[in-house]
Amino acid sequence: AQTVTQSQPEMSVQEAETVTLSCTYDTSESNYYLFWYKQPPSRQMILVIRQEAYKQQNATENRFSVNFQKAAKSFSLKISDSQLGDTAMYFCALRSPSGTYKYIFGTGTRLKVLA
Amino acid sequence: ETGVTQTPRHLVMGMTNKKSLKCEQHLGHNAMYWYKQSAKKPLELMFVYNFKEQTENNSVPSRFSPECPNSSHLFLHLHTLQPEDSALYLCASSQARRSNTGELFFGEGSRLTVL
Repeated sequence: AQTVTQSQPEMSVQEAETVTLSCTYDTSESNYYLFWYKQPPSRQMILVIRQEAYKQQNATENRFSVNFQKAAKSFSLKISDSQLGDTAMYFCALRSPSGTYKYIFGTGTRLKVLA
Repeated sequence: ETGVTQTPRHLVMGMTNKKSLKCEQHLGHNAMYWYKQSAKKPLELMFVYNFKEQTENNSVPSRFSPECPNSSHLFLHLHTLQPEDSALYLCASSQARRSNTGELFFGEGSRLTVL
């Protein structure tokens, strides 16, 4: 069975600082897709960044980057220059092409950016 | 309108009521999903529809009844619910194929309270 684990229920960071959110997963597939989603308070869940497992290069989207360690099955999210608008729940998710319509989510990490 | 729209945003119902949640996507996607989001739990996949055909029913109780009349609309019919069914119900869509990342696009959710 596929699983996604986020071991940090809550985190806080000072504005302009850098924070890393952890995610580990388990799958028997060799190819799959990993995602980080952001859910601001009372707002829509949106995609932050995605990674294709067959690509060794870590994905980057502006201030957001990932550290993808395929052998360790680790997919952490780094947020640089944290902003107050980054305050949100962050969910790590896994999708396998063989389970085309099935996404496995972690329990989320609540991040608070402090002024 | 663009994206994924859910109505109503908030719903309070008694255990004997019958109500429906509605979701509409304007993204031309082929798949639509219902997720249940409860505090401190992973997102629970309830149902998946691909081109109007149900491809996943994640052992959801029969008091939840989905309907997908076309690729753009998805309903969740509710009847004789229990207080533990109170949660945020998220609709999502995707253009998921084996060859692409197929990320989910979410609506804002319908907050359901069962009295």
